[in-house]
Amino acid sequence: AQTVTQSQPEMSVQEAETVTLSCTYDTSESDYYLFWYKQPPSRQMILVIRQEAYKQQNATENRFSVNFQKAAKSFSLKISDSQLGDAAMYFCAYRSARGPPMLTFGGGTRLMVKP
Amino acid sequence: ETGVTQSPTHLIKTRGQQVTLRCSSQSGHNTVSWYQQALGQGPQFIFQYYREEENGRGNFPPRFSGLQFPNYSSELNVNALELDDSALYLCASSRGGDFNEQFFGPGTRLTVL
Repeated sequence: AQTVTQSQPEMSVQEAETVTLSCTYDTSESDYYLFWYKQPPSRQMILVIRQEAYKQQNATENRFSVNFQKAAKSFSLKISDSQLGDAAMYFCAYRSARGPPMLTFGGGTRLMVKP
Repeated sequence: ETGVTQSPTHLIKTRGQQVTLRCSSQSGHNTVSWYQQALGQGPQFIFQYYREEENGRGNFPPRFSGLQFPNYSSELNVNALELDDSALYLCASSRGGDFNEQFFGPGTRLTVL
């Protein structure tokens, strides 16, 4: 079974600075998808960014980018120019390209942004 | 375009009771997934419905069951509630065949006393 681990329960960043959230996963598969989701205090989960494992190029969405290291099974999220609205729980998630269409989530990292 | 909605927002039940949670999928989506999120943890996959059929199930007992209706809305039913069932229940919808982006609802907070 696949597992996703987020080793940082909490992170803090100063407004306008850069922060990196870590995620590692365990799988024996070669074809899969990885995601970062944001869950603000209002609870609605929002997709931040996704990465297909077959793509070598790291995904980027505006201020959000990932560092995908397939051999190391690592998938970190970098947030540049942090804003107060970035404060939330961030979850890393894995989905196999085959098998049950389920997302496997990590335990989450709480990001605090200081003004 | 209407987003994913869930009802009720909050619910309090006692052990042994049964509960039904509801989810309306986003317009144009025919797939609904349900997740359980215990306090301080990441969501765990319960099951998914695609075109009214169960299309995958996580490690949850049979007392967790579901339905999907012709309009693609969905229900999650939990029988014989246990204290550990207290959690936020999230529903997510997506287009058939395109499971990469799931759009989540705000969730239903269930408390079992």
